[in-house]
Amino acid sequence: ILNVEQSPQSLHVQEGDSTNFTCSFPSSNFYALHWYRWETAKSPEALFVMTLNGDEKKKGRISATLNTKEGYSYLYIKGSQPEDSATYLCASNTGGFKTIFGAGTRLFVKA
Amino acid sequence: EAGVAQSPRYKIIEKRQSVAFWCNPISGHATLYWYQQILGQGPKLLIQFQNNGVVDDSQLPKDRFSAERLKGVDSTLKIQPAKLEDSAVYLCASSLLDLEAFFGQGTRLTVV
Repeated sequence: ILNVEQSPQSLHVQEGDSTNFTCSFPSSNFYALHWYRWETAKSPEALFVMTLNGDEKKKGRISATLNTKEGYSYLYIKGSQPEDSATYLCASNTGGFKTIFGAGTRLFVKA
Repeated sequence: EAGVAQSPRYKIIEKRQSVAFWCNPISGHATLYWYQQILGQGPKLLIQFQNNGVVDDSQLPKDRFSAERLKGVDSTLKIQPAKLEDSAVYLCASSLLDLEAFFGQGTRLTVV
């Protein structure tokens, strides 16, 4: 994998559903993996930064895992709420401190 | 703590015109980034500064785009002349150690 790829591209869920997204990134020269949340008309906001294989981070109902050997990260949202509706971006820092963003997953949570 | 400030928020120009965007990073952040985010795509790094020196400008279309960061603080990004495909959100971000980046609200450029 040469680029950072995210799936799905968009996701529609009902309030209360749990959901997860995938981020695939180059496993060579890995330095750090970031997740950002980007609400419409606002700035992207950092959720997590992970550096070690097996890292798990949690913030409220949102959690993330990291597998640097196979080059993927999962973001989980438990019990989705309408306010979780946003675009979730992942970004990979590679050797040379270069950051590459994925195209994002757009989440729509219906009340 | 004040965040990253960008202006203007919105700009509409005709193709072949010029436009400039301004960014004021978080105080003390040595690293400053300009990203271009075209609808449906992820943010693409245009240029990265460390203080007032350029670290990476490999994806900056240098025939029409230019950026500077005088005195290692504020930065301006210029497009001259603009093309229709330059329509995008231009995000400025800053970071302390090139890890977590803090973003401004962006400038939405529409070229007609």
